[in-house]
Amino acid sequence: QVQLQESGPGLVKPSGTLSLTCAVSGGSISSSNWWSWVRQPPGKGLEWIGEIYHSGSTNYNPSLKSRVTISVDKSKNQFSLKLSSVTAADTAVYYCARVSSVVPAARGWFDPWGQGTLVTVSS
Amino acid sequence: SYELTQPPSMSVSPGQTASITCSGDKLGDKYAYWYQQKPGQSPVLVIYQDNQRPSGIPERFSGSNSGNTATLTISGTQAMDEADYYCQPWDSNSYVFGTGTKVTVL
Repeated sequence: QVQLQESGPGLVKPSGTLSLTCAVSGGSISSSNWWSWVRQPPGKGLEWIGEIYHSGSTNYNPSLKSRVTISVDKSKNQFSLKLSSVTAADTAVYYCARVSSVVPAARGWFDPWGQGTLVTVSS
Repeated sequence: SYELTQPPSMSVSPGQTASITCSGDKLGDKYAYWYQQKPGQSPVLVIYQDNQRPSGIPERFSGSNSGNTATLTISGTQAMDEADYYCQPWDSNSYVFGTGTKVTVL
C-alpha cells in the first residue's frame, strides 16, 4: 500500500523559497501515475499546486506557475516542491498526493494523500 | 479559470439524507470526484468517476453528475460523517476543487 510523507522546514521567511519533499513508500514513483502537491490555508479550502510524472513532465496551477518548480528524484523515490518569493498568503498545510486513474498515466483523483505539513511564512 | 460552487454549510439529522451539490459549467461532461476531510486530517476520497465508491467507503455514500451539477448523497447520515466535503474534476491539464461544504450532523 502506497504511503506518502511530506518533510521540510515549517517556517520560511517572506520573500524566501519554500522547499518540501514527499517520500513515497510501498510503491514506485516510476509507476504509471502523476504525483501532485495540494495546499490548504488555515481554515480555507484546497488548492492544487502542480504535478509531475516520473519522466519529469510537469503541469502547474496557472495562478502559481511563475513561482513553482516540482522535481522528481527516482533514485530516492521522492518528489519535491519549491515555491519562490513567498508571502504570508502562502502559509498553509501542504499535502503531497498520488494521482490515480482507471487508465494508466491518465488524470483522475488524488489517492492516497500524505499527512500534510504546515508551513508558516513569517519573519 | 474553471470555477466550482458548493453550499458553504448544511445541517442534517442523524439517519436522514444529506445531498451536497457542486456546480460548474458543463460539469457533467467531466468526471467528478469527492473528498471527505475531518478536522486535522488529510482528505479522503469517497467517490470517484462520478458514482464509484473506493473500497472501504460505506454504501451510504453515492454520487451523480449531470448537466452543470454533481451531487454527493449521504443516505442514513451518521455522526461520523460530520466533515468538510470537496468536489474535484479535472479540466484542461488542471485540477480544480470546489469551495467545500461543511456538513454538521445534529
